[in-house]
Amino acid sequence: ETGVTQSPTHLIKTRGQQVTLRCSSQSGHNTVSWYQQALGQGPQFIFQYYREEENGRGNFPPRFSGLQFPNYSSELNVNALELDDSALYLCASSPGGKPYEQYFGPGTRLTVT
Amino acid sequence: AQSVTQLDSQVPVFEEAPVELRCNYSSSVSVYLFWYVQYPNQGLQLLLKYLSGSTLVKGINGFEAEFNKSQTSFHLRKPSVHISDTAEYFCAVSPYNTDKLIFGTGTRLQVFP
Repeated sequence: ETGVTQSPTHLIKTRGQQVTLRCSSQSGHNTVSWYQQALGQGPQFIFQYYREEENGRGNFPPRFSGLQFPNYSSELNVNALELDDSALYLCASSPGGKPYEQYFGPGTRLTVT
Repeated sequence: AQSVTQLDSQVPVFEEAPVELRCNYSSSVSVYLFWYVQYPNQGLQLLLKYLSGSTLVKGINGFEAEFNKSQTSFHLRKPSVHISDTAEYFCAVSPYNTDKLIFGTGTRLQVFP
């Protein structure tokens, strides 16, 4: 059984640019959630996708957007990058009927300069 | 609104000693409770979860936690720690009416030989 995978591992972008992060969910999981973890902090919920529809959103501006595909993989897009967007971005997948039971990938470290 | 408080930002302990990591939460609705571990430069790994039933929950790597509803606590314990337990530990709640995880700020467990 393959766990949650994320790509890329690391990324460096310039302020104002756009970035796309990718996540492949664990086999059999149909729900994907994204979190932002700033240095020294706990993860903060960005949004969740269930069957290709957004199913809840945290306190993040609209320049954070996402997609879920028919195979349940997902993308996180961030436009107009700001320095404070530098963080570890974590993707988590959940089995059907248990969206609260989340299994995390290794994360993508984004640095905005 | 919900919040999670991890009372200790750092816990130093010697190898083979017992340890307790404290977690308190605040919520106006019922919640599921979780502990995750994060090793350096890695994502989060689920240690254990409380959904219902027995208030004493056993997890992986010899960890256990006890849910105390009256004190709104979910402290994590291990009777004898190993060097390999050195990591960041996060307590999290998921309210019944949402599908997101709300994390505390983490406790850094440092095990010394």
